[in-house]
Amino acid sequence: KNQVEQSPQSLIILEGKNCTLQCNYTVSPFSNLRWYKQDTGRGPVSLTIMTFSENTKSNGRYTATLDADTKQSSLHITASQLSDSASYICVVTRLNTGGFKTIFGAGTRLFVKA
Amino acid sequence: GAVVSQHPSWVICKSGTSVKIECRSLDFQATTMFWYRQFPKQSLMLMATSNEGSKATYEQGVEKDKFLINHASLTLSTLTVTSAHPEDSSFYICSARAGIDTGELFFGEGSRLTVL
Repeated sequence: KNQVEQSPQSLIILEGKNCTLQCNYTVSPFSNLRWYKQDTGRGPVSLTIMTFSENTKSNGRYTATLDADTKQSSLHITASQLSDSASYICVVTRLNTGGFKTIFGAGTRLFVKA
Repeated sequence: GAVVSQHPSWVICKSGTSVKIECRSLDFQATTMFWYRQFPKQSLMLMATSNEGSKATYEQGVEKDKFLINHASLTLSTLTVTSAHPEDSSFYICSARAGIDTGELFFGEGSRLTVL
């Protein structure tokens, strides 16, 4: 079954600290994996997109990793800021003869406290 | 990057009225758009896939007569919540697929519907 599981469900950290969010998937055939940031009451915004051959991709203080063999991805946030408080959603796309199909993780809610 | 615009960003209506939400791809053509519903502190729930020039495909449990979807052009899809009731109050988000090779999704800003 094609699934995307994220952990932890929620996380509280102090401003300035680093954190890592996890995403495990069983989606096949794999096309790409994306991390989105969703602020409360806003639409998701793409942080990174990674294809099968990519292991690491950075976007400012956000660094995503992908291990296609173990089907795991992580999103590392360095030097967290209050504005990082949001939900982070892992999204995996599969591509088969029927076209693209997108599977969403439930998200990790991150709270950054001063 | 690609931009998807949603309108209105919030709407308050009386029970029994219908509300239309628009989703536009501003700088690209989208043959496929998606509509989601999101309850507080929960993840996005796909409601339907909107295909330009053809009928929308609804997910199981979503009433097609309740949530009318029209995708009349390559840049516009609309979601109409018919005879809205308080339980329809939610955050509705659309997305459009922009990447031909990657199938990348770009999301609208969302529309907050409150039915009194």
